[in-house]
Amino acid sequence: AQSVTQPDIHITVSEGASLELRCNYSYGATPYLFWYVQSPGQGLQLLLKYFSGDTLVQGIKGFEAEFKRSQSSFNLRKPSVHWSDAAEYFCAVGDYPGAGSYQLTFGKGTKLSVIP
Amino acid sequence: GAVVSQHPSRVICKSGTSVKIECRSLDFQATTMFWYRQFPKQSLMLMATSNEGSKATYEQGVEKDKFLINHASLTLSTLTVTSAHPEDSSFYICSAGKQGWDQPQHFGDGTRLSIL
Repeated sequence: AQSVTQPDIHITVSEGASLELRCNYSYGATPYLFWYVQSPGQGLQLLLKYFSGDTLVQGIKGFEAEFKRSQSSFNLRKPSVHWSDAAEYFCAVGDYPGAGSYQLTFGKGTKLSVIP
Repeated sequence: GAVVSQHPSRVICKSGTSVKIECRSLDFQATTMFWYRQFPKQSLMLMATSNEGSKATYEQGVEKDKFLINHASLTLSTLTVTSAHPEDSSFYICSAGKQGWDQPQHFGDGTRLSIL
């Protein structure tokens, strides 16, 4: 079965600093990978996704992620963090059971705190 | 972008009460709807997957008689927590998706359920 590991539970960065959130996955075939962001008490918003093609994926809010098959990783990056980026970030891998839409398996999340 | 409305956002009720949560896709027809449960400071755990017009598929360990899911139309799915008890208190999130890998899931804002 597929799984997702986010090694960092909590990361704190200063506003304006660069950010990298780590994600490692386990999946038997070509993975479909996603990053979501969750603000407190709210649902999830899709930041970006990787299905195929260019391994560097651009998303919303200035985020990007790079798929590295050799390392089974899909790390999320942002060159300059804003205070509004403080939230919980989830990496997910998609699995297609053969009917309807795909299913997502989430990592445990990384909480990002931003120091003004 | 696509909008998924989840209602109510917060419920507080007595033990033994049944609680219904609605999930509506407002501007697209959802082939599949998902229900997740999120414990504090933890990831989203998939509870069940429902395709319109079909019975929901429950994940292992989720009691289908406890968590009743109805997906009567392509825009509405409901989760009913029957005879709720304090251990059912949690954050419940729905998502809606269309068939195909290029169709991202869209999440509702979640429902905070508190059982006294």
